[in-house]
Amino acid sequence: DIQMTQSPSSLSASVGDRVTITCRASQGISNSVAWYQQKPGKAPKLLLYDASRLESGVPSRFSGRGSGTDYTLTISSLQPEDFATYYCQQYYNTPPFTFGPGTTVDI
Amino acid sequence: QMQLQESGPGLVRPSETLSLTCTVSGASATSYYWTWIRQTPGKGLEWIGYIYHGDTTTYNPSLKSRVAMSVDTSTNQFSLRLRSVTAADTAVYYCARLLLHSRMDVWGTGTTVIVSS
Repeated sequence: DIQMTQSPSSLSASVGDRVTITCRASQGISNSVAWYQQKPGKAPKLLLYDASRLESGVPSRFSGRGSGTDYTLTISSLQPEDFATYYCQQYYNTPPFTFGPGTTVDI
Repeated sequence: QMQLQESGPGLVRPSETLSLTCTVSGASATSYYWTWIRQTPGKGLEWIGYIYHGDTTTYNPSLKSRVAMSVDTSTNQFSLRLRSVTAADTAVYYCARLLLHSRMDVWGTGTTVIVSS
């Protein structure tokens, strides 16, 4: 199985900050990574796929990049509604699809 | 607009079978890949398996011996059965659409299942 790790596990930020979350795969995954946002008591919401493609309706302040084993999710200017937990997920080598442990962004 | 909604018992006894249903609205349950994911505080998000074309399944190897998925075309639902449950199967269970065998773009709201006697 491909293991996904994320760093940091949590971070504190302020509205307007630029925030970057890193996801590392245990082997190269050729941009086959998606990012999700989850708020308490809610289902995850797809933000990006194929490492950098923005899901329809997702604000352009979210962006993704990376290659090989290392990928990042960046929020260019943090908004109040962005305080949440973010997960990466790989689909390069399945089964199984695997998720990172999450990064919580709080105030 | 496609929507998914999980339903099923919130409490299951140890060693029994967990059965959940996901109702699909806005699409046919025989189209697309449909998947189940569960979430626990300890293990995070765990992919359980998927079903597509109504009858082809792929399961997480870690759960494969206990899992079965199916589609009911008459009710436009797909379902999850997990046998011989233990407390470790206590989780929030989500159904979702697995788009192009990659990302999960439509999710249900989730249902909490507790395994306890």
